[in-house]
Amino acid sequence: DGGITQSPKYLFRKEGQNVTLSCEQNLNHDAMYWYRQDPGQGLRLIYYSQIVNDFQKGDIAEGYSVSREKKESFPLTVTSAQKNPTAFYLCASIPDSAGSVYGYTFGSGTRLTVV
Amino acid sequence: QQQVKQSPQSLIVQKGGISIINCAYENTAFDYFPWYQQFPGKGPALLIAIRPDVSEKKEGRFTISFNKSAKQFSLHIMDSQPGDSATYFCAASGPTSGTYKYIFGTGTRLKVLA
Repeated sequence: DGGITQSPKYLFRKEGQNVTLSCEQNLNHDAMYWYRQDPGQGLRLIYYSQIVNDFQKGDIAEGYSVSREKKESFPLTVTSAQKNPTAFYLCASIPDSAGSVYGYTFGSGTRLTVV
Repeated sequence: QQQVKQSPQSLIVQKGGISIINCAYENTAFDYFPWYQQFPGKGPALLIAIRPDVSEKKEGRFTISFNKSAKQFSLHIMDSQPGDSATYFCAASGPTSGTYKYIFGTGTRLKVLA
């Protein structure tokens, strides 16, 4: 079945450490997104990519970095510059970003905790 | 212009009752209005969506009502069941500033009592 796979499901980060969250999709979707979800808040956009080798900052990109070397993969790195990284991270995709009439397909998320 | 305001923040409904969640948007360029359902520890899943050319869309027990003039839309869950207990997000999407934006509401935590 087609879908989005996020790994790991749980991740623990020590102070000053960089960690990378994996996102892989086999839906042949062009556009991929990373969102952060905090309790009681909506989904906040970190980064998005509309095509391979191109990506744009979202609303809360500081302290995060991404790459899009393959259509299927959109990993997110949480750097030591992100001072409050504890959150639930969601990866999503849509067929393409040229039109808006698509629902997102989301992964199952990665819960990141600073220890 | 970019906000989608969702209410209530939380909702408790008896089994068999009607759950109603409301959203309001500002950008008249938005042309796609989906609702997502999220269970704890899972990613959101698309539940139902509507375009602004219709005022209502029904899928099973779930109905979206859309009021274009008021820039409001709502989700109605008929015959609510304990299995419907989840967090629900509305969203609005459309062209803005030369690209397509997807804006989420802040979510409503629904609890259906058995």
